[in-house]
Amino acid sequence: AQKVTQAQTEISVVEKEDVTLDCVYETRDTTYYLFWYKQPPSGELVFLIRRNSFDEQNEISGRYSWNFQKSTSSFNFTITASQVVDSAVYFCAHSRAYGGSQGNLIFGKGTKLSVKP
Amino acid sequence: EAGVAQSPRYKIIEKRQSVAFWCNPISGHATLYWYQQILGQGPKLLIQFQNNGVVDDSQLPKDRFSAERLKGVDSTLKIQPAKLEDSAVYLCASSSLRQGYVGYTFGSGTRLTVV
Repeated sequence: AQKVTQAQTEISVVEKEDVTLDCVYETRDTTYYLFWYKQPPSGELVFLIRRNSFDEQNEISGRYSWNFQKSTSSFNFTITASQVVDSAVYFCAHSRAYGGSQGNLIFGKGTKLSVKP
Repeated sequence: EAGVAQSPRYKIIEKRQSVAFWCNPISGHATLYWYQQILGQGPKLLIQFQNNGVVDDSQLPKDRFSAERLKGVDSTLKIQPAKLEDSAVYLCASSSLRQGYVGYTFGSGTRLTVV
């Protein structure tokens, strides 16, 4: 069965610090997707990134970057120069792949990030 | 493009009462999901629909929870009777086989408090 582990329950940083959120997954599938979502205090889940298991290239989007390593089954998320608006709960998730689409999402327990001014 | 609509936004009920939540997915999205998110945890899938058929309801407590998706569009999730441990946020999401890299789209959720 698939499983996603986010070992860090809470992280607190001061604005402008870099912070890395860890995600380790377990799966027997050869084809799958990995995701990161942000859940601000308002509660909605905001999609950040989706990664296909065949694509191990790291990705950068502004202050956000993701490091996907199949060898260690990890999909870590780094925020560079953190800002107060980054304060939220961040979820890593896994889904199986079916012919190019995806199955249901299995979430980790989330990491609560607090960025203090 | 309109997002996934959910109502009500909040609901407080007493234990043993019944409650229903409504979800309207993004137009054209064939797949609809209901997730339960208990405070401090990640969302957990309750049921997945493909059009109006059930794909996965293995984690739905069928003795008290029921869901339907008539005509393959809107969906309703019902709890009867509610228990204290049902207090959670109920999230609806939809996705499309044609959605490519966008992935799932979630609604704002319904926060249920059972007292």
